[in-house]
Amino acid sequence: QSVLTQPPSVSGAPGQRVTISCSGSSSNIGAGYDVHWYQQFPGIVPKLLIYGNTNRPSGVPDRFFASKSGTSASLAITGLQAEDEADYYCQSYDSSLGGSSVFGTGTKVTVL
Amino acid sequence: QAQLQQSGPGQVEPSQTLSLTCVISGDSVSSNRATWNWIRQTPSRGLEWLGRAYYRSKWYYDYLFSVKSRITFSAETSKNQFSLHLSSVIPEDTAVYYCARGSVTGTSWFFDLWGRGTLVTVSS
Repeated sequence: QSVLTQPPSVSGAPGQRVTISCSGSSSNIGAGYDVHWYQQFPGIVPKLLIYGNTNRPSGVPDRFFASKSGTSASLAITGLQAEDEADYYCQSYDSSLGGSSVFGTGTKVTVL
Repeated sequence: QAQLQQSGPGQVEPSQTLSLTCVISGDSVSSNRATWNWIRQTPSRGLEWLGRAYYRSKWYYDYLFSVKSRITFSAETSKNQFSLHLSSVIPEDTAVYYCARGSVTGTSWFFDLWGRGTLVTVSS
């Protein structure tokens, strides 16, 4: 089971801002491990969206903005577009049980 | 442009061994900057990291605790590929399996290159 908790779904109208939270604990985000974010369309491979808490790979629009504080992180999408409708996952490292990369539970973004 | 090409059967019988291979192009399995990972995805469990192989003067393998007794990775430098072997499979191992390259930030790894995924069904 995922140790990073995300809301199952968020929605917004085109042009609006939506925010996705990623809640962790003292053995992962709270321990200082970086958080990364992925975007996944149905039936498609996950795509790296944000790495190292705040960094966008080349080609990712600056409408995607991420931050991290304490034991949680968040991804914001500003100026929401229809093409942003997808699943979003956070990911970090967890030091419990020998250590492992861990993913969030995933959030479905719906553009109204 | 680096790519990962996955291969392996789409169906495995219960109690048998699931084996998948990932061939790397445009990068090296023995790179000292990358790790080579297997990740699976199901509707119920979401994305689940299974483990990684990496070379730092010698090979290292790290596995997810919950599957550690059943999982083995291998890497072949001459073929520039790495493989997953998951033994004693059960229906709950049915998933889409991805290979992925891990790159590091200051404190954790992220996955910047993915294979296309292989749906593996555990069924007789």
